[in-house]
Amino acid sequence: DTGVSQNPRHKITKRGQNVTFRCDPISEHNRLYWYRQTLGQGPEFLTYFQNEAQLEKSRLLSDRFSAERPKGSFSTLEIQRTEQGDSAMYLCASSLWDGGDQPQHFGDGTRLSIL
Amino acid sequence: SQQGEEDPQALSIQEGENATMNCSYKTSINNLQWYRQNSGRGLVHLILIRSNEREKHSGRLRVTLDTSKKSSSLLITASRAADTASYFCATDYVWETSGSRLTFGEGTQLTVNP
Repeated sequence: DTGVSQNPRHKITKRGQNVTFRCDPISEHNRLYWYRQTLGQGPEFLTYFQNEAQLEKSRLLSDRFSAERPKGSFSTLEIQRTEQGDSAMYLCASSLWDGGDQPQHFGDGTRLSIL
Repeated sequence: SQQGEEDPQALSIQEGENATMNCSYKTSINNLQWYRQNSGRGLVHLILIRSNEREKHSGRLRVTLDTSKKSSSLLITASRAADTASYFCATDYVWETSGSRLTFGEGTQLTVNP
């Protein structure tokens, strides 16, 4: 059973560098979500896609952040000119949305540390 | 910002005891979901309860939902050391199309002592 896969698991980078994370959702899932989680807090929504269309972006997603899902399968989240405050766990989730109530299935996340 | 609140923030019990966690939220929902997170890992979906449901069971888990009080509770019966984790409630708010963003609480850290 292949769940949601995220790479890399850990990323350490210097402030000002660009980073890119990848998420491979469960294969038949049409919706893909990105969340950010800081220590001791619950995840906070960043953005989500239905197939290749980005349907919503949170105010948390500044112009340094960009997410894509080019073929409606995997997704990438890029952060440009990283800042100390970007240090967090970045979680990806997917769901098979059919108009009803469906759970989201999460990957193990990418932990980003900014030096 | 977080829309839900969970209490307690931390709970420590002995193996075999029951654990109850509560969640409150602020506006009307499509559904409410509970997740578990082990340290350094992603979230594992436990149970989803729809706004027109009042109670749901899954194995040792029992979830209740009171939409008039905008609250939910998660009961874990006969707890085990492996249940040690953070537990989050997440709401799918009715102003959103169902299946869009989830809004999470800050979680309850459960420790089950052997």
